[in-house]
Amino acid sequence: GAGVSQSPSNKVTEKGKDVELRCDPISGHTALYWYRQSLGQGLEFLIYFQGNSAPDKSGLPSDRFSAERTGGSVSTLTIQRTQQEDSAVYLCASTRDRGYEKLFFGSGTQLSVL
Amino acid sequence: AQSVTQLGSHVSVSEGALVLLRCNYSSSVPPYLFWYVQYPNQGLQLLLKYTSAATLVKGINGFEAEFKKSETSFHLTKPSAHMSDAAEYFCAVSAYSGNTPLVFGKGTRLSVIA
Repeated sequence: GAGVSQSPSNKVTEKGKDVELRCDPISGHTALYWYRQSLGQGLEFLIYFQGNSAPDKSGLPSDRFSAERTGGSVSTLTIQRTQQEDSAVYLCASTRDRGYEKLFFGSGTQLSVL
Repeated sequence: AQSVTQLGSHVSVSEGALVLLRCNYSSSVPPYLFWYVQYPNQGLQLLLKYTSAATLVKGINGFEAEFKKSETSFHLTKPSAHMSDAAEYFCAVSAYSGNTPLVFGKGTRLSVIA
């Protein structure tokens, strides 16, 4: 596709349920990021995939969060046993090269945990 | 580890006045520095970047930033604010190691008063 695609755009769930958020990066982009954006907190780095290297998971806030990237393309961020503090916009971004000429962001998934 | 600190979560300027958004970084290796902008209801987009070439970097829409190693700063400026500049601005840092995530600051919301 022409840009980074994220689905769903909005997700409302009940506390304790699991959710999966999907990201389709731009074709050919080797690097993929997940960030979380909360009001007043800016963009919080979650996880980073670069080519075939082991992902950098240093930003994941707890073991309830996990992500995978299949075939070097589509990525899924999974949050288990969601909590109200997980409510935020989850952003995915991809880039073609390591020099960060441009990081292309998706429109995000607005997650609301009730 | 790398980090950025943006001074001031909200800056308000009059139309035509100087815009100055402050960013200080911390990095154990020579940094790459970026400013991203997020207009209301839109995704983030790259405004400008510093990657060890010229210390004064010019970006889109008349913005520029100067890398000052002695001050560990990368402040964003624009000589004359326009109403369309109202947005959230994020400073970010990375290192060209091939496997280093891009870390964002908490953002500064710029308001432009007519």
